[in-house]
Amino acid sequence: DTAVSQTPKYLVTQMGNDKSIKCEQNLGHDTMYWYKQDSKKFLKIMFSYNNKELIINETVPNRFSPKSPDKAHLNLHINSLELGDSAVYFCASSHLRGSGELFFGEGSRLTVL
Amino acid sequence: QKEVEQDPGPLSVPEGAIVSLNCTYSNSAFQYFMWYRQYSRKGPELLMYTYSSGNKEDGRFTAQVDKSSKYISLFIRDSQPSDSATYLCAMSEDSNYQLIWGAGTKLIIKP
Repeated sequence: DTAVSQTPKYLVTQMGNDKSIKCEQNLGHDTMYWYKQDSKKFLKIMFSYNNKELIINETVPNRFSPKSPDKAHLNLHINSLELGDSAVYFCASSHLRGSGELFFGEGSRLTVL
Repeated sequence: QKEVEQDPGPLSVPEGAIVSLNCTYSNSAFQYFMWYRQYSRKGPELLMYTYSSGNKEDGRFTAQVDKSSKYISLFIRDSQPSDSATYLCAMSEDSNYQLIWGAGTKLIIKP
């Protein structure tokens, strides 16, 4: 039973399109995150939600909009995709806000052509 | 200068060798230090979690923190090909919920 699951795993799309990535965790955690990992493997936090409340909103283009319908789900919608958005997007969760013990999904590899 | 520096590698060693992976940091307020392992095309998974200075051992893995030098290490004894992965360090301040990540070191263990 996958603890943190993301869909889709792979996404290939054209510039200018809008796409969404979905994430669900079955660990009962309160906090969820979206991270972006570039080709050099550098992990950059984008957003974090604690019990459906946005608590971290890094400097990310406003084309990226997270949404948390409940504390087990955190989705990421991206409008007007650009070439530079190509990356692997990881969803993660933690039991407590501020915990260093994160549980990551397997990632969603986005390629923008 | 980045807050956390980590040599990207790759670091290639023969099976059975002792591996030393390191990170340096600039923020003296960091107190929580983590090592994550990431296999190819997978998400990172927590390997070691330490608080403040000192050593922590878990099987073949030892995490070491030297706050005076702002330097952390992960040692892997009797390295196995299955240890081949990217190792990322991460750290945070006491009350700051932001994790600051290193860029990761790619480790290759040759059979």
